[in-house]
Amino acid sequence: DIVMTQSPLSLSVIPGEPASISCRSSQSLLHSNGYHFLDWYLQKPGQSPQLLIYLGSDRASGVPDRFSGSGSGTEFTLKISRVEAEDVGVYYCMQALQTPYSFGQGTKLDIK
Amino acid sequence: QVTLRESGPAVVKPSQTLTLTCTVSGSSLNTGGMCVSWVRQSPGKALEWLALIDWVEDKYYSTSLKTRLTISRDTSKNQVVLTMTNMDSVDTGTYYCVRGWSSGWYGGLDPWGPGALVIVSS
Repeated sequence: DIVMTQSPLSLSVIPGEPASISCRSSQSLLHSNGYHFLDWYLQKPGQSPQLLIYLGSDRASGVPDRFSGSGSGTEFTLKISRVEAEDVGVYYCMQALQTPYSFGQGTKLDIK
Repeated sequence: QVTLRESGPAVVKPSQTLTLTCTVSGSSLNTGGMCVSWVRQSPGKALEWLALIDWVEDKYYSTSLKTRLTISRDTSKNQVVLTMTNMDSVDTGTYYCVRGWSSGWYGGLDPWGPGALVIVSS
């Protein structure tokens, strides 16, 4: 099974400042079709998770462009260019290259 | 607009079998490339992927839970059913169903259902 490791596990950010979350997989997430099967999800307090980024860098419909995903192989990053109050919650990376799918431990973001 | 909604018992006793139903609206389970996954979350813990069924009824399971899980579908009702045997207190949590896609059509897991809270208690 592929193991996903996120860092940091928590971060506190001043509104308007950038934030970055790293995700590492135990094996490459590059599919034979050329895409990396790595997603990012945000779970806001008391809500179901919501899709932010899929295939490493594609923003889901309705996701603000301050969110961006990058990376390749086994190293991936989610960046928020300017954090807003509504961005608080727990961020998860997930690999969908092969079943069983697997999530990272989660990164809790709060506002300073 | 596609929506998913989980339903099932709120409380189950230890050693019992849990049966959860995911009702999909706005999209047929027979749609090419379409999959439905179950994901759970124990209180205060991370998301845990459990199982997946695809449009041709292939099924995939969590390695650690595969002996206890069965996923199936009823296309006449557009529902996906998850059963988990031998429930224990550590299985207490919120169970989500979510739409996904096979690799040729992949677009992430979206949308998610609101979740069903299951408490295991005698």
